[in-house]
Amino acid sequence: QSALTQPPSASGSPGQSVTISCTGTNSDVGGQNYVSWYQQYPGKAPKLMIYEVSKRPSGVPDRFSGSKSDNTASLTVSGLQAEDEADYYCCSYAVSRTYFVFGTGTKITVL
Amino acid sequence: QLQLQESGPGLVKPSETLSLTCTVSGGSINRSTYYWTWIRQPPGKGLEWIGSIYYSGSTWYKPSLKGRINISVDTSRNQYSLKLNSATAADTAVYYCVRRGFDPSFDNWGQGTLVTVSS
Repeated sequence: QSALTQPPSASGSPGQSVTISCTGTNSDVGGQNYVSWYQQYPGKAPKLMIYEVSKRPSGVPDRFSGSKSDNTASLTVSGLQAEDEADYYCCSYAVSRTYFVFGTGTKITVL
Repeated sequence: QLQLQESGPGLVKPSETLSLTCTVSGGSINRSTYYWTWIRQPPGKGLEWIGSIYYSGSTWYKPSLKGRINISVDTSRNQYSLKLNSATAADTAVYYCVRRGFDPSFDNWGQGTLVTVSS
């Protein structure tokens, strides 16, 4: 159960869009629609931003959206704002329903 | 409003047992729609799911930790606990107690507690 692969960093100017990827296998990301995304500020607990690939919890801005194709899930942040600068982690439930695996994490920088 | 709070020693000696408790307030741990989870994060590194428990006592553990890990639940105290045997420096991390829904996603997190394994 290796960690899902994310790019270490991504960046964009205010108002632009940035998309980060999360690549797994048929045993996790590609096997079902149970990918979630988390935002984490330094020294703080993570916050759920997206669940079941593309659903947003109440209170999460609609600038955040998720999608999936085959073994790769993606998080897109549109209309970047300074407050979006943080670390983002994807997470997938295993097809076996016995464990979870997180991504390696991506730091989004707002230029 | 649901709150989760981790408690336990911040320093553990190598080969000893790392023990933490999560106290849940503002909601019952007996709810059938949730699983109670431990997630850790080594300093400067990513998140790692280590295990979950259902109120009935059913457990799921990270495969590489099986044999060293035990998660238990005390519904009368609205708490659940983590024990990790034979601790090593690799177990040094911020440990979060987290609620997991049926979706499944982790929607409610404790503030986290740093546990250092060192002599």
